[in-house]
Amino acid sequence: NAGVTQTPKFRVLKTGQSMTLLCAQDMNHEYMYWYRQDPGMGLRLIHYSVGEGTTAKGEVPDGYNVSRLKKQNFLLGLESAAPSQTSVYFCASSYQLAAYNEQFFGPGTRLTVL
Amino acid sequence: TQLLEQSPQFLSIQEGENLTVYCNSSSVFSSLQWYRQEPGEGPVLLVTVVTGGEVKKLKRLTFQFGDARKDSSLHITAAQPGDTGLYLCAGDDAGNMLTFGGGTRLMVKP
Repeated sequence: NAGVTQTPKFRVLKTGQSMTLLCAQDMNHEYMYWYRQDPGMGLRLIHYSVGEGTTAKGEVPDGYNVSRLKKQNFLLGLESAAPSQTSVYFCASSYQLAAYNEQFFGPGTRLTVL
Repeated sequence: TQLLEQSPQFLSIQEGENLTVYCNSSSVFSSLQWYRQEPGEGPVLLVTVVTGGEVKKLKRLTFQFGDARKDSSLHITAAQPGDTGLYLCAGDDAGNMLTFGGGTRLMVKP
């Protein structure tokens, strides 16, 4: 099992450019999450999904969109990148029937917006 | 918005020393998780504590959940260089989301 995978691992964008980050999981998990990690701020939730075709806003959703067309994939889009979106992005998944929402994380995507 | 504060933010110690990391909140959580993250990787779950006052041990790591389920601590005995990393606590309010603390970055020098 690959677990949770993310592509790309690194990306540099210019202000105003768009891009999509892809997250894939092979554990048949219902729940998937997108976080951003900035120094000293832990992980902040951007958007999440509780199942195929559903999405919901997290703590810091502005400037991002998501889609969950297939159960195993969760896409994060930046329509017009800004320097404030420079961060490390992590995808995670969890099993709906797990007792305590224990999450499995991907290796991250390091994004720099110039 | 629920907040989790971790202290200290940074800790640099010598191999063999003991240390404690704290995770505090004014909110009650149904459970609390501890993750460790190594450079260039995603967080990996270490333990989940559920009951107020619960103590769990994972080799040299001891985790405790406060009686009121608002705080937690991680104690490492005889730290080793392999313990180096970012330690994150995360509270579960029994909803669909976790609230993460800011993390404690630990460096253990040989």
